[in-house]
Amino acid sequence: DTEVTQTPKHLVMGMTNKKSLKCEQHMGHRAMYWYKQKAKKPPELMFVYSYEKLSINESVPSRFSPECPNSSLLNLHLHALQPEDSALYLCASSQETALNTEAFFGQGTRLTVV
Amino acid sequence: AQSVTQLGSHVSVSEGALVLLRCNYSSSVPPYLFWYVQYPNQGLQLLLKYTTGATLVKGINGFEAEFKKSETSFHLTKPSAHMSDAAEYFCAVTPVYGNNRLAFGKGNQVVVIP
Repeated sequence: DTEVTQTPKHLVMGMTNKKSLKCEQHMGHRAMYWYKQKAKKPPELMFVYSYEKLSINESVPSRFSPECPNSSLLNLHLHALQPEDSALYLCASSQETALNTEAFFGQGTRLTVV
Repeated sequence: AQSVTQLGSHVSVSEGALVLLRCNYSSSVPPYLFWYVQYPNQGLQLLLKYTTGATLVKGINGFEAEFKKSETSFHLTKPSAHMSDAAEYFCAVTPVYGNNRLAFGKGNQVVVIP
């Protein structure tokens, strides 16, 4: 199984809503990532978890709250988002070894904030 | 800090013609290098990677790339374009050690002309 599964595939939410994006992998990877991708742009790193601990936060606004409940799951909790937060949110995972390895990406969640 | 340069956001190629996408990186030490492909409304799929060993690497769908340290380049080629190659292509780098933080180029939108 070389899949990273993200749910939901599409999400429309109001600016006062609270929602969560979910990501799951069963490859035994211990590094997991959230990326944000705007249209016609490359992905931008938001957060990195290593062994279920947050290791990188790329100065992301607090209305985005990541959570890693176990080694297979990664969540992104959303609250009070703005329309400019509309984007494709990509989850990725990779092995956590001394040498870096390739990241496997999910299909993404297309988020629209209205 | 690492960075990646991909020139020419849109690349048009005739079906059956050579596909050539250029990637140059900037890094104090040679990094690991990747090419990812993204189809519309999809996540990123790894095409190929260079970590160590042979500098000419072969990937999926008939693509290959050559790492040239002297030119700090990792150009992607495919001898004969197919309609199914129409997609966005991203070159990315990550340091060999330390945080597995992918830095992406701006991407190339490949259009295949029948």
